[in-house]
Amino acid sequence: KAGVTQTPRYLIKTRGQQVTLSCSPISGHRSVSWYQQTPGQGLQFLFEYFSETQRNKGNFPGRFSGRQFSNSRSEMNVSTLELGDSALYLCASSLEGGPPRSGANVLTFGAGSRLTVL
Amino acid sequence: AQSVTQPDIHITVSEGASLELRCNYSYGATPYLFWYVQSPGQGLQLLLKYFSGDTLVQGIKGFEAEFKRSQSSFNLRKPSVHWSDAAEYFCAVGPIITGNQFYFGTGTSLTVIP
Repeated sequence: KAGVTQTPRYLIKTRGQQVTLSCSPISGHRSVSWYQQTPGQGLQFLFEYFSETQRNKGNFPGRFSGRQFSNSRSEMNVSTLELGDSALYLCASSLEGGPPRSGANVLTFGAGSRLTVL
Repeated sequence: AQSVTQPDIHITVSEGASLELRCNYSYGATPYLFWYVQSPGQGLQLLLKYFSGDTLVQGIKGFEAEFKRSQSSFNLRKPSVHWSDAAEYFCAVGPIITGNQFYFGTGTSLTVIP
């Protein structure tokens, strides 16, 4: 069974540009979450999508946005890039829909997209 | 507020020695607790999880963790470390209500010396 696939794996952008990152969850997983990982801040929650709806959002500016498609694939977009946006962006999927303590909400992570902003 | 604290930023152990990585959490209800491992350039891999029941849980790669409610801790242990265990380790608290975010510690970097 294929894991969580993130593309592109590496990208370099300049300040002011925008970027779109893609995430394909594990087949059957309906929830997709995005996290930003930086050396100083660790993993910071960006947002979570389920059935094409954003259910939860972290404390990031509006330049960070996302969406989920009907096949559960998700994209996140960062507009007007800043130097501080350089980070590893991690996508994670979970099964959802199971009873409590069933493990349905255990996160499975992709390898990440490494964004460098110059 | 929910939070996870990993007091040790970096730990160095000799190969074959025992290992304990500390994790303390603050959560408003009974938490779901996780340990993930991240190798350089990779995403996070689940080592083990605790939902309920036996407070000592076994994971992959010979790791185990013990949940201590009275201490709000979920420390990770391994009796004998291998060089391949060198990586970054993250403790996390997960939601009981699906859709809510996970909270991660800032990680502990493990170096294994031969």
